[in-house]
Amino acid sequence: EDQVTQSPEALRLQEGESSSLNCSYTVSGLRGLFWYRQDPGKGPEFLFTLYSAGEEKEKERLKATLTKKESFLHITAPKPEDSATYLCAVQAFNSNYQLIWGAGTKLIIKP
Amino acid sequence: GAGVSQSPRYKVAKRGQDVALRCDPISGHVSLFWYQQALGQGPEFLTYFQNEAQLDKSGLPSDRFFAERPEGSVSTLKIQRTQQEDSAVYLCASSLSSGSQETQYFGPGTRLLVL
Repeated sequence: EDQVTQSPEALRLQEGESSSLNCSYTVSGLRGLFWYRQDPGKGPEFLFTLYSAGEEKEKERLKATLTKKESFLHITAPKPEDSATYLCAVQAFNSNYQLIWGAGTKLIIKP
Repeated sequence: GAGVSQSPRYKVAKRGQDVALRCDPISGHVSLFWYQQALGQGPEFLTYFQNEAQLDKSGLPSDRFFAERPEGSVSTLKIQRTQQEDSAVYLCASSLSSGSQETQYFGPGTRLLVL
């Protein structure tokens, strides 16, 4: 069964303290892995798409990487405004559109 | 440019009432998705439209849930005879085409509370 697991469930960091969020997946062939950010009371906001193992993408303080089993979202020197829930979703080869979502990691950055 | 919009943003319904949730996708987007999101969970797929055609409704939890997109733009998710377990955030997303790997862009959601 296709599955996405994110860890940790929650992460508290001091401002400037770098860390990584994990997204482990099991799918019957990966079409793409998506990272989204969700603020309280809002819909998910698109961050990155990764398509193949070894691929990396960066945006400001965020860098996403992909292996054959998992993806990491590295956050470097985070600021309080980076506080949000980060969601990971995968699209399998047996679907042209359906995304399988993880439960998210709630990130809190303390000033 | 305008993103995906949803209305109402909040809805309180008494158990047994019917509700209708509206989604305005990004102009020109072919694909439209409805999701249900419980507190502390990721979105769960409900249904998918390509233009006006509902190609997948496998995620709709019961026959009380009905969705339509008659002109291939605005969509409505209707829930009949609401139950307490229907309380959740209902998210709408759209993507430019029907191709795979397309990015889905989300609206702010409608938070439904059934009392």
